[in-house]
Amino acid sequence: DAGVIQSPRHEVTEMGQEVTLRCKPISGHDYLFWYRQTMMRGLELLIYFNNNVPIDDSGMPEDRFSAKMPNASFSTLKIQPSEPRDSAVYFCASSLGGKNIQYFGAGTRLSVL
Amino acid sequence: SQQGEEDPQALSIQEGENATMNCSYKTSINNLQWYRQNSGRGLVHLILIRSNEREKHSGRLRVTLDTSKKSSSLLITASRAADTASYFCATDGFGNEKLTFGTGTRLTIIP
Repeated sequence: DAGVIQSPRHEVTEMGQEVTLRCKPISGHDYLFWYRQTMMRGLELLIYFNNNVPIDDSGMPEDRFSAKMPNASFSTLKIQPSEPRDSAVYFCASSLGGKNIQYFGAGTRLSVL
Repeated sequence: SQQGEEDPQALSIQEGENATMNCSYKTSINNLQWYRQNSGRGLVHLILIRSNEREKHSGRLRVTLDTSKKSSSLLITASRAADTASYFCATDGFGNEKLTFGTGTRLTIIP
């Protein structure tokens, strides 16, 4: 298996633009997690899905952030409009079962100018 | 919050020495996991220890868990340059599937 695949690896955009981050989980995994990592706040859970259904989005910072999982093999995290404080590395992870090992993608490094 | 805190924040040792990192957390847990993150990469799972376990080994890794003190330690024996990375503990509680990650220990192995 190729592991969790995220795209793009790097994204540079200007404030106010829409940003879409993509994730393909490991085939057969039923949980998908989106995290954000910054030096100041560490690794924060934004939202997670079980069988494509959002379970907990309490970590989503504000309405500018939205996440979808239209099917078991694809998820998106969208920021609209983006702001400089959204600059971070965003990780997607998947797992088989909720309390088990999570497999992380390589991350998307987002820079909002 | 049951966020874990790792101690020390940074650790530099000579290759071949043992490295010990500690993690403390705030509330009761179901499992505790340790992950490694190399610079510019995603996190990689190392080991999972359940709340009813006290010690677990995997290769050069040894993890202990003391639920009475709400703490865990990760020992890496005979360190190698390739062990240079950040190490995070992560806990999950009862009733939800979320992992809460600690602040991490940055380990540098000096060749």
